[in-house]
Formats: sequence, C-alpha cells, structure tokens
Amino acid sequence: DAMVIQNPRYQVTQFGKPVTLSCSQTLNHNVMYWYQQKSSQAPKLLFHYYDKDFNNEADTPDNFQSRRPNTSFCFLDIRSPGLGDAAMYLCATSRDEKLFFGSGTQLSVL
Amino acid sequence: GDSVTQMEGPVTLSEEAFLTINCTYTATGYPSLFWYVQYPGEGLQLLLKATKADDKGSNKGFEATYRKETTSFHLEKGSVQVSDSAVYFCALSDWYVQGAQKLVFGQGTRLTINP
Repeated sequence: DAMVIQNPRYQVTQFGKPVTLSCSQTLNHNVMYWYQQKSSQAPKLLFHYYDKDFNNEADTPDNFQSRRPNTSFCFLDIRSPGLGDAAMYLCATSRDEKLFFGSGTQLSVL
Repeated sequence: GDSVTQMEGPVTLSEEAFLTINCTYTATGYPSLFWYVQYPGEGLQLLLKATKADDKGSNKGFEATYRKETTSFHLEKGSVQVSDSAVYFCALSDWYVQGAQKLVFGQGTRLTINP
C-alpha cells in the first residue's frame, strides 16, 4: 500500500496559471518535504515542514509556496508557473534518517 | 556547499554481470551517505546507507563502503538481475536537525540489465 501519495501523477498547466500539487501520507511522520527534479538532474530540496514549522531553502524561488493543514497533507503551490518550472515534484516524509518518497507529480507548463 | 557526483549513465549490463556505480562527494563535515533506487513509475526508495567512515551498507545483494580517504561511496553488486533495472541515486545528508534532514543527491545513474 502506498504510504506517500501524490496526485495527480501528471499535471499540465499554462504559463502563468497557478497550480497546486498534492501530497498525503499514512505514516504519521512529523516531517514532510518537497523536492524538485528537473530532467536528468538531481532532486533538489525546496522546503520542508517539521509539524507546522515551515523551513524554506534559501534558493527556493518566491514563486513556490507550501501549505500543511494537518499531519497527513501537504500542498505545493506554484503561483505563476514558468517554462523553467516544468519538472518532477517529489514529496517525502522522514523518520530516523530514512526518507519515504511518493511517486512524484510530473508538471508540464505550456 | 556539499555536493555529490555520480558516474554518468546510462549503464547497460547483461544479467549476472558485476556492477559498480561510482559516487564521490564533497562535504565540510562527516555526512551520512545513502543510495536510493527508483524503479519505473515509483518513488525513490532507500537501498542502503552508511553513517561513518569504513561503515559498509548492504541490502538486496548491493553493497557500498564509506571511504573517507577517497570521499567515495561506490555501489557494487556481484551478479545483477533484470529486476535491478532502475535509476540509482547517491546522496549525502547535508544537515540533520529536529528530525529533519536535507539530502543532497547526485544526478542519478540509469541502469538497464538485459537477459
């Protein structure tokens, strides 16, 4: 059974049109992360939550926001997607130095 | 900042061949090191890890040894199977605070095993 669930698997949006990606977890982990993985590149941490404490990486663009309404759910909001934001977005949780990843959402920007 | 460099792919081998995927890292401290694997259509999964110098991580026939002197963490398997076809990511833990950690990943190596 999937423990970190990302929906949808594929998301298409238009240039400049806000989009939200969703992640849920059944593991009850305190920490949740969002990573961005562009084609043939390493996954890159955007931000993480410890419970409701939000931690932004210094080089994460302001265009990216996140919400965590409860332990189980976390959302990635891209306010004005550009062509350069097309990527795979990976959600993860962690416990004891082990990360659990979802299958990712592949975002296309037209 | 900390970084990870992996052997470029793709790598194609025949079943039962010996596998090595090279990984080297740059870090200011003594990070934990990891190999993650991503099977087609799935998320990344932890394959193995090592937390200090000379530690050997192992799982599913794969091994990697934390070599501080060469700043390396090469992945090896003695006899690969078709089911090992996947993308392999080397990573280090840049920081670990309050139960959260930042993983710095290499770019991934795609491995294909032919029967």
